[in-house]
Amino acid sequence: AQSVTQLDSQVPVFEEAPVELRCNYSSSVSVYLFWYVQYPNQGLQLLLKYLSGSTLVKGINGFEAEFNKSQTSFHLRKPSVHISDTAEYFCAVSAPGGSYIPTFGRGTSLIVHP
Amino acid sequence: NAGVTQTPKFQVLKTGQSMTLQCAQDMNHEYMSWYRQDPGMGLRLIHYSVGAGITDQGEVPNGYNVSRSTTEDFPLRLLSAAPSQTSVYFCASSSGGEGYTFGSGTRLTVV
Repeated sequence: AQSVTQLDSQVPVFEEAPVELRCNYSSSVSVYLFWYVQYPNQGLQLLLKYLSGSTLVKGINGFEAEFNKSQTSFHLRKPSVHISDTAEYFCAVSAPGGSYIPTFGRGTSLIVHP
Repeated sequence: NAGVTQTPKFQVLKTGQSMTLQCAQDMNHEYMSWYRQDPGMGLRLIHYSVGAGITDQGEVPNGYNVSRSTTEDFPLRLLSAAPSQTSVYFCASSSGGEGYTFGSGTRLTVV
């Protein structure tokens, strides 16, 4: 079984500032890791994913995340945020093979202030 | 490409009524799943399917039924609606480890 902990339920930040959204996972097997974004009244959209290979993963909208196996973390970062980045962000983990069903964290609300 | 289509977008039910939430995908994905989203709870898995004819229970299956007669469709049935089932429901599909594509959701209120 796997689980995901998103360490911050809400992250306020000013426009053009850098941001980091934290995610830790637990799993007894190797994992696939994902970040999704949900804008108000919409479904989830895949931001980026780690399946294997390079531990630094780049996604859409200027976001990137780094897989750290020793710390079981997959933190999401952006060097300069925009108002339009205001949304809910979900970290998810799944195990290769089987159903590939992801387990989601409870989400982090990123609030970008002008 | 329509992706994952959910209908209806909004629904109000009375306690005890039954209904079916529709989900269809046009990407020939093997894997499909249903989640419910409640404030502060993230997404919780209701049921999932790894292919036509194969379904299994997730974390919160009570009060819901599913079937998968075709690759494209994965309807979710509420047998006897209860106020605790007021939520936003998302259907998602995937070809495997590449991540899931989500529908836009159904907002259900049970009064």
